[in-house]
Amino acid sequence: QVQLVESGGGVVQPGRSRRLSCAASGFTFTTYAMHWVRQAPGKGLEWVAVISDVGGDKQYAASVKGRFTVSRDNSKNTLYLQMNSLRVEDTAVYYCATEGYWGQGTLVTVSS
Amino acid sequence: DIQMTQSPSSVSASVGDRVTITCRASQGISSWLAWYQQKPGKAPKPLIYGASNLQSGVPPRFSGSGSGTEFTLTISSLQPEDFATYYCQQANSFPLTFGGGTKVEIK
Repeated sequence: QVQLVESGGGVVQPGRSRRLSCAASGFTFTTYAMHWVRQAPGKGLEWVAVISDVGGDKQYAASVKGRFTVSRDNSKNTLYLQMNSLRVEDTAVYYCATEGYWGQGTLVTVSS
Repeated sequence: DIQMTQSPSSVSASVGDRVTITCRASQGISSWLAWYQQKPGKAPKPLIYGASNLQSGVPPRFSGSGSGTEFTLTISSLQPEDFATYYCQQANSFPLTFGGGTKVEIK
């Protein structure tokens, strides 16, 4: 069955960097665009970024553009989100998602 | 950016009730709309795509309709496991945007 498993969350200081990973299995990873979506504590859902199936096309939310970079390694069936210059307002559960499937999420807390 | 407005923000209902949630887009999005269900502490669960197509395994008491700027999610007979927060999301253009959510609570 389809599985998306995020990892890499934790506590990070403002201004520092963190890389999230999403390991995919149970479907042909190389044929699907992949998204990152986040949810701040007690808040709604916010789309963060998308990468096309072969990685050539990427789009970002204005709130993260220039600080976050989405990438993928199709040989490893893994999606990444490199987060730089983190801010307190980036604190959220980060989900990876594709058509019809979401991971369980990983919590990133930005705090000094 | 396309703004998505859901109403109501919360609704109290009883088991067996019919519940309808509305989602309005700030500009036309054809049928590029999805609905999600989220329970506390859990990831969102996709329910509907393309405005009216049920995801695999979703019970038929859930239905979606609409096109353009106005959409609805209907639960025909509310079950205990349906108490949750529901979100709409437009997939017409980037950035993808979500509605603010509708919490379905027990009356």
